[in-house]
Amino acid sequence: QKEVEQNSGPLSVPEGAIASLNCTYSDRVSQSFFWYRQYSGKSPELIMSIYSNGDKEDGRFTAQLNKASQYVSLLIRDSQPSDSATYLCALNTGTASKLTFGTGTRLQVTL
Amino acid sequence: DGGITQSPKYLFRKEGQNVTLSCEQNLNHDAMYWYRQDPGQGLRLIYYSQIVNDFQKGDIAEGYSVSREKKESFPLTVTSAQKNPTAFYLCASSGKQGDEQFFGPGTRLTVL
Repeated sequence: QKEVEQNSGPLSVPEGAIASLNCTYSDRVSQSFFWYRQYSGKSPELIMSIYSNGDKEDGRFTAQLNKASQYVSLLIRDSQPSDSATYLCALNTGTASKLTFGTGTRLQVTL
Repeated sequence: DGGITQSPKYLFRKEGQNVTLSCEQNLNHDAMYWYRQDPGQGLRLIYYSQIVNDFQKGDIAEGYSVSREKKESFPLTVTSAQKNPTAFYLCASSGKQGDEQFFGPGTRLTVL
């Protein structure tokens, strides 16, 4: 089993809808979780960090963490064509000074 | 204007040549990282450094070397021993180990 799993997509949602991106992980001691957005040909950009169970909202983005079920999700409300990108989930287990990344989910927001 | 810079943006080299990729940050971050990304794949860690004059191998260190002589700089050398060096190389930094990382714009290396 991979340490961090994401559906590669593409996930296609119409403009204005809610996009839901999911990530599961295998290491129960994971402490810090991050969502990055990566446009084609560009470097990843940090959009959300979450450290404790529950929801964290920032503008149109909501990160949800459930450590008992070992998943973290990202909701994007009122999806826009500019949200079309690959979204990478990353986590830190706390046992090493590095992040482990998923392979990403490609999101397509259609007009 | 704080950030991470990588140069060059595009790099072409002949097979068998060593090449050095530059990474500089002015965020006063202690930790720095090098990743490799291949088409359709996630990020794989090559090397990382938590403090000056110290660095550790990541998951795919073979064929690569690094140095950390200054806090601001973490250059990566891709040696001729790296069997498949063509990839997108990303440098990142973090204020403290294990915390959120911020990426530079990347260097796209093509070996002909």
